[in-house]
Amino acid sequence: AQSVAQPEDQVNVAEGNPLTVKCTYSVSGNPYLFWYVQYPNRGLQFLLKYITGDNLVKGSYGFEAEFNKSQTSFHLKKPSALVSDSALYFCAVRPPYGNNRLAFGKGNQVVVIP
Amino acid sequence: GAVVSQHPSRVICKSGTSVKIECRSLDFQATTMFWYRQFPKQSLMLMATSNEGSKATYEQGVEKDKFLINHASLTLSTLTVTSAHPEDSSFYICSVTDGNTEAFFGQGTRLTVV
Repeated sequence: AQSVAQPEDQVNVAEGNPLTVKCTYSVSGNPYLFWYVQYPNRGLQFLLKYITGDNLVKGSYGFEAEFNKSQTSFHLKKPSALVSDSALYFCAVRPPYGNNRLAFGKGNQVVVIP
Repeated sequence: GAVVSQHPSRVICKSGTSVKIECRSLDFQATTMFWYRQFPKQSLMLMATSNEGSKATYEQGVEKDKFLINHASLTLSTLTVTSAHPEDSSFYICSVTDGNTEAFFGQGTRLTVV
C-alpha cells in the first residue's frame, strides 16, 4: 500500500526567504508524485507532479520539487516565499497502475511572516 | 485540466435530516470520481470511489448506508449524507481524474449538522 509522510505540522518562514516543505513516500513500483495547495474552505489546487523524466519539476506560482529516488523524497521548494503562499500543502502519491487512487500526507500548514 | 464543480459550498442542516452534495465534471466525462472527507487541519480521507453505472466502492469503516453515492452519468456524482448527526459535520471534497495522471478537485462542501 502507498503512504506519504509529511513530518512537520507547520512551517514558518519569513517573506522573501526560501521555503521548503518536506515529503517522503512509500509505494510499489515507480511513483507518481503530486503537490497540492489548499486555501481555507476551498478544494485542492494542483501545483506540480512528477511522473517520469527530469527529477526537478517546476510547477505553478514559482514552486518546484525534486524527486529523489534513493531517499524516497519529493520536497517542495520555493526560492522566495510570499505572504500569499500561506496555506495548507499536501503531498500525494499513487502507483502507475490501478484506479488513480491517491494517498495524501497529513498536510503542512505554511505560514509566511511579513 | 478538468473543471470540477461541487454544490453546495456550504450547508447547515438539522440532526436527522439528509443532505445531498453534487459533484459535476464540467468538461470531461468521468467514469470514476472520488469522495473525500476532511477534518479541520487534517488530511483528506478517501471515503469511496464512485463508478459510473455501477455501485460505489467504499473504504473500510465508511458506512455505505450512511453515505449514499450515486454516479448516474459521466458528469455527475452525488453523495447523500443520510440521517445526519453532528459528528458528520465536516468538509467533503470530490475529485475527478483525467484518465492519465492528474486529479482535479471540487471546491468542497462545508457541512454543519446542528
